[in-house]
Amino acid sequence: GENVEQHPSTLSVQEGDSAVIKCTYSDSASNYFPWYKQELGKRPQLIIDIRSNVGEKKDQRIAVTLNKTAKHFSLHITETQPEDSAVYFCAASGPNFGNEKLTFGTGTRLTIIP
Amino acid sequence: KAGVTQTPRYLIKTRGQQVTLSCSPISGHRSVSWYQQTPGQGLQFLFEYFSETQRNKGNFPGRFSGRQFSNSRSEMNVSTLELGDSALYLCASSAGSTSGNTIYFGEGSWLTVV
Repeated sequence: GENVEQHPSTLSVQEGDSAVIKCTYSDSASNYFPWYKQELGKRPQLIIDIRSNVGEKKDQRIAVTLNKTAKHFSLHITETQPEDSAVYFCAASGPNFGNEKLTFGTGTRLTIIP
Repeated sequence: KAGVTQTPRYLIKTRGQQVTLSCSPISGHRSVSWYQQTPGQGLQFLFEYFSETQRNKGNFPGRFSGRQFSNSRSEMNVSTLELGDSALYLCASSAGSTSGNTIYFGEGSWLTVV
């Protein structure tokens, strides 16, 4: 089955700096890669996702890049703010219709230092 | 429109008892998945239902079961509870009709087994 590795497990950055979280996946057939943000005691919230037919997607301060050949994808957060502090999870699924199973990475605890 | 709704939010059970958790997906969504989240194992896929049929199943013992009703609402049941079943149980919904659907999570049910 699919295996997703996520690094780093913890990350501290100064407010205003950029943060990068990286994930690798094992199943070359996976074609959907979402990122979730989870604040303490709350549900995972989708912040951005990418499908295998594109290499990069951006939404304001958040961007995701995908390298299908190397089987890795990354989350980039620019101009970080205190409210970005949370645990971030990457995930992978696909490729077939009916494959709604997400395999998650182990999470990255991001701390923004004011 | 309303998000994914889970009940109850918090519950405490004794070892050996059983528990039933309920999930109402986003209106129009036909796929409901269940995940277990623990500090040690992270987010793990339990099973997924679509149109009242189980389509995918994770690697959990038979004590974990679920079902989906004709209105897409879902329940999961854990029988003969063990201390290790203490976790946040998350329900997620998606349209489920094509690959790479966006998956949205509910707030979860916090289960403590004593």
